[in-house]
Amino acid sequence: TQLLEQSPQFLSIQEGENLTVYCNSSSVFSSLQWYRQEPGEGPVLLVTVVTGGEVKKLKRLTFQFGDARKDSSLHITAAQPGDTGLYLCAGANDYKLSFGAGTTVTVRA
Amino acid sequence: KAGVTQTPRYLIKTRGQQVTLSCSPISGHRSVSWYQQTPGQGLQFLFEYFSETQRNKGNFPGRFSGRQFSNSRSEMNVSTLELGDSALYLCASSYGQGLTNEKLFFGSGTQLSVL
Repeated sequence: TQLLEQSPQFLSIQEGENLTVYCNSSSVFSSLQWYRQEPGEGPVLLVTVVTGGEVKKLKRLTFQFGDARKDSSLHITAAQPGDTGLYLCAGANDYKLSFGAGTTVTVRA
Repeated sequence: KAGVTQTPRYLIKTRGQQVTLSCSPISGHRSVSWYQQTPGQGLQFLFEYFSETQRNKGNFPGRFSGRQFSNSRSEMNVSTLELGDSALYLCASSYGQGLTNEKLFFGSGTQLSVL
């Protein structure tokens, strides 16, 4: 059983469109992290959110952490083909991460 | 700074054999953790080591074991391989003070295929 549920599982959009990925947890974690993974590589950390209600922006990516620290979202504005990849949310406790199943995003040129 | 290095990159083994995977963390990092990634289960935590001590362990059978050396390099071992052990095994390193405010850096993984 996954502690973190991600939706949707797959997302295919045209270049220039916006997209949102959701991550919902049945537990409260000390922090929530978002990663992007490309084929044949390990995940790369995009952002860490710690405080309930927190919003972080990274260029065209906006990350929100729910007030109760149990849900999060990743919004990409004007998606580009370079945004293609597997997006993973992960809850951190002490020294380990619990990952969601991931959302595979494909941005078509 | 060199990244996390995992060797070998690919491995093919048969059922019943054992395998050892190696991980060299980023210089200065003292924590090494291991994850298994499969299409069906996603990324699952195996274990984490800090200063040669296992601090945390996931829900995997005893066939999965690991260790860390004094130079922070780590190895994981899987004995009596099963078909279901086929996966991408990822190693990650950090300073080891806790993941709330600390970045975790992943290697490119070892792709293990069990035939």
